[in-house]
Amino acid sequence: EPEVTQTPSHQVTQMGQEVILRCVPISNHLYFYWYRQILGQKVEFLVSFYNNEISEKSEIFDDQFSVERPDGSNFTLKIRSTKLEDSAMYFCASSEAGLAGDPFTDTQYFGPGTRLTVL
Amino acid sequence: DQQVKQNSPSLSVQEGRISILNCDYTNSMFDYFLWYKKYPAEGPTFLISISSIKDKNEDGRFTVFLNKSAKHLSLHIVPSQPGDSAVYFCAASGRSGGGADGLTFGKGTHLIIQP
Repeated sequence: EPEVTQTPSHQVTQMGQEVILRCVPISNHLYFYWYRQILGQKVEFLVSFYNNEISEKSEIFDDQFSVERPDGSNFTLKIRSTKLEDSAMYFCASSEAGLAGDPFTDTQYFGPGTRLTVL
Repeated sequence: DQQVKQNSPSLSVQEGRISILNCDYTNSMFDYFLWYKKYPAEGPTFLISISSIKDKNEDGRFTVFLNKSAKHLSLHIVPSQPGDSAVYFCAASGRSGGGADGLTFGKGTHLIIQP
């Protein structure tokens, strides 16, 4: 069964450093997402991406964050100058939504997450 | 600002009985609702969804009910099995005029199935 994969599973970094979290969405999916879950809190939407551009983003997704699809398979989240409060689980998701699909009803499938620890 | 609320942090149910997980929402623009199940150290796994044009959707042991007037939905699992022990998240999305909205999640309910 196709699945979303994420690397690394755990990333430790020093405050102020840049990190890149990587995701490989399901191959025929067209919409890609990043979410985060701070320990003990709910899963929060960061950004959605379609056709090589940001589709929607939340208030959390400020200039510190950027996303990119550098090739036909990877989808990345870059966090510049990390802060202590960026420590969280980061989940990538993808959904199918094609020309005949409806992005609002297509199911989002999640990867296993990357645990980011900022020291 | 909790647009999706799961008021029960945990629920304990005996194996074989029905588990009922509840979710309330405040945003009337939400028109698609999903339930995800999550084990520790894993990502959320999709369980079942329902569109606002329906009031019930069933898939095997899982049934989701939607009461739009009350802005309430519930997930029924029957019969409950030990492997159902996990955190269950209610999530919702709505149309924003373009592109795919992110999902808005509740805080989750930890379901514990007792043998």
